[in-house]
Amino acid sequence: KNEVEQSPQNLTAQEGEFITINCSYSVGISALHWLQQHPGGGIVSLFMLSSGKKKHGRLIATINIQEKHSSLHITASHPRDSAVYICAVLTGNQFYFGTGTSLTVIP
Amino acid sequence: KAGVTQTPRYLIKTRGQQVTLSCSPISGHRSVSWYQQTPGQGLQFLFEYFSETQRNKGNFPGRFSGRQFSNSRSEMNVSTLELGDSALYLCASSSTTSGSARGEQYFGPGTRLTVT
Repeated sequence: KNEVEQSPQNLTAQEGEFITINCSYSVGISALHWLQQHPGGGIVSLFMLSSGKKKHGRLIATINIQEKHSSLHITASHPRDSAVYICAVLTGNQFYFGTGTSLTVIP
Repeated sequence: KAGVTQTPRYLIKTRGQQVTLSCSPISGHRSVSWYQQTPGQGLQFLFEYFSETQRNKGNFPGRFSGRQFSNSRSEMNVSTLELGDSALYLCASSSTTSGSARGEQYFGPGTRLTVT
């Protein structure tokens, strides 16, 4: 049983498209993180959320604590957004990770 | 500020050997967490250290251990290596303070360990 489920697993988009990646979790959490991993392995933390919505540039993250669901949106997608996006939840003192969404943005 | 650094970046070991990986956090960060990433299991949490004390631990066997020094640098050790230990090992530092939920994680580039 996975504590964190992401969808879709793979996503291909045309440059400029609006993209949504979903994350559902089954445990009580104190925070949810969205991570970005480029080929080669480097991971960057995009957002840390415990409620509401956050925005950084073209990226928007929302969380609904009651529904145990979070979404990551990318507006005006660009080929440099191609990466794996990973949802992670902090519950108690444990981190649980989704399996990631592999995004490819085609020029 | 310099980012999180990990050494070595690549390592090849033989089954049964042991290995030590090193992580230097961002200056001022006292929390260091370690993660294992494999194609089959994805990212998994190993443990977290804060002020030289292991604060949290994931579900890994006792062959996996770690420590943190007074300057917040951390090492993790894997003894009696198995083929399944081949993975990317990532560390991350955080500016979280004692008693609060762990904050935003700043990841290092990782050490890719291959066990043959």
